[in-house]
Amino acid sequence: QVQVVQSGAEVKKPGASVKVSCKASGYAFTGYYMHWVRQAPGQGLEWMGWINPNSGDTNYAQKFQGRVTMTRDTSISTAYMELSRLRSDDTAMYYCARGPDWLSRSVYMDVWGKGTTVTVSS
Amino acid sequence: SSELTQDPAVSVALGQTVRITCQGDSLRSYYASWYQQKPGQAPVLVIYGKNNRPSGIPDRFSGSNSGNTASLTVSGAQAEDEGDYYCSSRDSSGNHLVFGGGTELTVL
Repeated sequence: QVQVVQSGAEVKKPGASVKVSCKASGYAFTGYYMHWVRQAPGQGLEWMGWINPNSGDTNYAQKFQGRVTMTRDTSISTAYMELSRLRSDDTAMYYCARGPDWLSRSVYMDVWGKGTTVTVSS
Repeated sequence: SSELTQDPAVSVALGQTVRITCQGDSLRSYYASWYQQKPGQAPVLVIYGKNNRPSGIPDRFSGSNSGNTASLTVSGAQAEDEGDYYCSSRDSSGNHLVFGGGTELTVL
């Protein structure tokens, strides 16, 4: 079945980096964008950006520019999100989610991972 | 503050109809998508595009658009429809995506 499976929970110290993976299966990995969304405890959803697995093109939210890097490895159908210079307020659940062509008038995310908890604490 | 505005909480009696709204300038040009999230779970897409439901989403969920407002309607709300609902669309520049602040739906 169509799914994306994320890597396990991470605990990091302030100032460190974290890299979360998202392995796709059941569909053509390069045929869909991969978005990253995070949710701080008790808060709403926050879009971080996307990667086009076909071209490697990326589009990051202004808030994360300079701190986030999204990459992919098409040989293993896996997308990655690396966040650097971590702060305590980066503690959140991080989701990857599949989305259709960005050029569409309708942008949505139809397949979500279960999330990866990232805790930033000294 | 988000470019998409949602009421923080809405309640509905069991079996009745409820509308959850999402306001933002970008909605004049782009469709919203809607997500349901239950505690401890990942969001689930319930409506996208003009008024499309993914496979497995009950037909009591529907979407509509008017001007700068997108709406999600739940007709005949069930207890299992309780949860948080988020709208999403492009931002006013069209270059990025944004989420509304979310609406907590309670079924009484």
